[in-house]
Amino acid sequence: RKEVEQDPGPFNVPEGATVAFNCTYSNSASQSFFWYRQDCRKEPKLLMSVYSSGNEDGRFTAQLNRASQYISLLIRDSKLSDSATYLCVVSGGADGLTFGKGTHLIIQP
Amino acid sequence: NAGVTQTPKFQVLKTGQSMTLQCAQDMNHEYMSWYRQDPGMGLRLIHYSVGAGITDQGEVPNGYNVSRSTTEDFPLRLLSAAPSQTSVYFCASSFGGWAGGNEQFFGPGTRLTVL
Repeated sequence: RKEVEQDPGPFNVPEGATVAFNCTYSNSASQSFFWYRQDCRKEPKLLMSVYSSGNEDGRFTAQLNRASQYISLLIRDSKLSDSATYLCVVSGGADGLTFGKGTHLIIQP
Repeated sequence: NAGVTQTPKFQVLKTGQSMTLQCAQDMNHEYMSWYRQDPGMGLRLIHYSVGAGITDQGEVPNGYNVSRSTTEDFPLRLLSAAPSQTSVYFCASSFGGWAGGNEQFFGPGTRLTVL
C-alpha cells in the first residue's frame, strides 16, 4: 500500500515564528504533490502544489526532494490564522491520491 | 458558483438502515470522488467517477454503491449501515484526473454516526 507519512504534531509555535514540516512518500512513481489545509471540522482546501524546482506563495514555501522522497512546507512569519491541520497529498497517477494523516499546527499569541 | 455541495450535513442511522449521501457540483468537472475521513487516518477513497456513466472502486468500497447519471451529481449509497461506517464523508470534484495535478474541490462533508 502506498504510504504518505507525516508527523502528527501538534506543533505549538509562537506568532511570528517560522515553522517547517515534512512528509515522506513511499511510491517512487508519484507524479504530483500538494499541501492541503484543513481547518477544524471543515473540508480540506488546496494550499499549494509542490513543484520539482520548489515554489513560494507569500509566506509559504514548498519543496520537493524526489531522490529522498520527501516534501516540505515552510511557513514564515506565522499568523494565528495559520492554525490548522496540513495534509500532504501525493498522486500516483491512475492510482489516485494518497493523503497523509496531517500535521496539526497551533500558532500561539 | 456554489462549488461542491453535500447533504445532509449530519446523519444518525441505526445498524442495517440504508441511506444516500448527496453530492453535487456546478463547475462542470468530469472527475468526482467520495472519501471518508476517520480519526488518526488520512482520507481514503471510496469510489470515484471520471465522467457521467463511469464509476470505479477506490481503496475502501465495501458497503457503498455509487452512480453517475449526470455530470453534476454523484450520490453515495450505504446499503446496510454498520458502526464501522461511522465517519466524515467528503465528496470532491476536479477538472481533470489525479495524474495531471488537478486541484480537488471538496464539499463541506457529511458527519455520519451509525448506532
